[in-house]
Amino acid sequence: QKEVEQNSGPLSVPEGAIASLNCTYSDRVSQSFFWYRQYSGKSPELIMSIYSNGDKEDGRFTAQLNKASQYVSLLIRDSQPSDSATYLCAVNRRTGGFKTIFGAGTRLFVKA
Amino acid sequence: DAGITQSPRHKVTETGTPVTLRCHQTENHRYMYWYRQDPGHGLRLIHYSYGVKDTDKGEVSDGYSVSRSKTEDFLLTLESATSSQTSVYFCAIREGTELTEAFFGQGTRLTVV
Repeated sequence: QKEVEQNSGPLSVPEGAIASLNCTYSDRVSQSFFWYRQYSGKSPELIMSIYSNGDKEDGRFTAQLNKASQYVSLLIRDSQPSDSATYLCAVNRRTGGFKTIFGAGTRLFVKA
Repeated sequence: DAGITQSPRHKVTETGTPVTLRCHQTENHRYMYWYRQDPGHGLRLIHYSYGVKDTDKGEVSDGYSVSRSKTEDFLLTLESATSSQTSVYFCAIREGTELTEAFFGQGTRLTVV
């Protein structure tokens, strides 16, 4: 079992729709979770971080965390073509120091 | 932008030769990471460092070694490059507490022929 798992997609949604991206993690004691966006040929950039159970909203983005189910999700409301990118879920896992472990990423296409 | 620079940005090398990639930061962050990115695999951790001379292996460490003799520099060495090590390599830095995100360098595209 991979430490962080994502549906690789691709996920295709029409412009204006809600895109839902999901991630599960294996280490039950992990405390910090992140969503990164990566455009083709570019470096990953942070969109959202979440540390507590529940929802965290930032503009059109909402991160959701359920530690009991070991599940993290990202909702993108009013999706725009500029949201088309790969979305990476990441977890900081304690092992001596802290490893930052990434999922394989979900490719999102927003159709105009 | 976080002060993190990777060099070189592009490199083509021959099978069997040693290669060293450099990551330099100006943020004085404790953690530094090397990842490789291949289609379908996301970012896979090669090695990471949690302080000067403190390093540990990631999930794909075979064939790679690292060194960190100064806070600002983290070197990744491919001891004898193979075609399977053709990839895009990213360096990332992070502050010392758990609840902090990673910042990435621009990436190095390495081709082993």
